[in-house]
Amino acid sequence: AQSVSQHNHHVILSEAASLELGCNYSYGGTVNLFWYVQYPGQHLQLLLKYFSGDPLVKGIKGFEAEFIKSKFSFNLRKPSVQWSDTAEYFCAAYGGSQGNLIFGKGTKLSVKP
Amino acid sequence: NAGVTQTPKFRILKIGQSMTLQCTQDMNHNYMYWYRQDPGMGLKLIYYSVGAGITDKGEVPNGYNVSRSTTEDFPLRLELAAPSQTSVYFCATKQGTEAFFGQGTRLTVV
Repeated sequence: AQSVSQHNHHVILSEAASLELGCNYSYGGTVNLFWYVQYPGQHLQLLLKYFSGDPLVKGIKGFEAEFIKSKFSFNLRKPSVQWSDTAEYFCAAYGGSQGNLIFGKGTKLSVKP
Repeated sequence: NAGVTQTPKFRILKIGQSMTLQCTQDMNHNYMYWYRQDPGMGLKLIYYSVGAGITDKGEVPNGYNVSRSTTEDFPLRLELAAPSQTSVYFCATKQGTEAFFGQGTRLTVV
């Protein structure tokens, strides 16, 4: 079965620190990978997506992610986090005949000012 | 365009009560989904629909029902609310590979 796993449940960083959130997926078919962000009390917003081509994908708000096929990974990175990046981050992939997104369990990011 | 609209935003139910969570979209998307989000568990698919008149179960359908009489509306029904259904519910549509989420309904069953 398709699955998406995120390594960290809660990450705490100080402002200006660098961020890397891990994501691994298991799926043998076409790869469509996403990172979503959910700010407190809000709905999910798309940060970036990867379908094909350049494995380094740039998204909004200075985020980027690298698709490494050999490692089945799609890690999210940001060189310097801000307090406003405090949120929960979800890695997701399309899978199965239902055409639905399969989500990881999410990683809460807390940025200390 | 309003996108995906969910109502209500918040609701408290007593055990055994029933309610319908509404989801409406104005984008004419065929695919619609209901997810529930629980802390530390990500989002789990409850039901989905590939078009008007067609619905099917997702990963966690027990205790819920859906209908899809029109392209626009995809209501989620809880018949006998249980504490285990306390969650945040998200409705979503899909067009191609792009998903669009509603603002969510936070439901508490006491």
